[in-house]
Amino acid sequence: AQSVAQPEDQVNVAEGNPLTVKCTYSVSGNPYLFWYVQYPNRGLQFLLKYITGDNLVKGSYGFEAEFNKSQTSFHLKKPSALVSDSALYFCAVRGGNTGGFKTIFGAGTRLFVKA
Amino acid sequence: DAGVIQSPRHEVTEMGQEVTLRCKPISGHNSLFWYRQTMMRGLELLIYFNNNVPIDDSGMPEDRFSAKMPNASFSTLKIQPSEPRDSAVYFCASSWDNYEQYFGPGTRLTVT
Repeated sequence: AQSVAQPEDQVNVAEGNPLTVKCTYSVSGNPYLFWYVQYPNRGLQFLLKYITGDNLVKGSYGFEAEFNKSQTSFHLKKPSALVSDSALYFCAVRGGNTGGFKTIFGAGTRLFVKA
Repeated sequence: DAGVIQSPRHEVTEMGQEVTLRCKPISGHNSLFWYRQTMMRGLELLIYFNNNVPIDDSGMPEDRFSAKMPNASFSTLKIQPSEPRDSAVYFCASSWDNYEQYFGPGTRLTVT
């Protein structure tokens, strides 16, 4: 069965410091992994994805994520946080071509960036 | 592209009334998803379509909920009769072949 875990309900970081939002997954076959961000009163917005290739993927707004197959993780990172990065972040996973069609979303991690 | 369009943006109705939520996916996308988001339960997948065909409706809470996709550019989610516990934000999302999903702005439903 597919699953995704975001172990932290909330992450607090000071502006200018690096940030990490954690995500681990379980899936049949090769994983397709995604990060989304949700600002207040808005729909989820796609940030980045890993399908194949380079383990480090770069996305919107300076975010990046590293796929680690041995640890089944796909942590979201940013070298220098901004107050405007404060939002709710979702990790999502689906199985690859043999893993079925359903995308599973994590419970979300709320990021607070303090000025 | 206008993105995923949902209507209405807000809906307030009384218990027992029928509610219909509408969605226009991004042109060219072949997958469509309906989600419900609440503080208590987070983001829940209700149903998804591929090429206008329902693939998995296991997330639909009960028979009061139904969804249709009569063509590639339109989908509806209907609740009949509505109950206060249906109050939530309902999102529609679309994608190409179930890669990254693009979400609409949501419909905030309040059932009194």
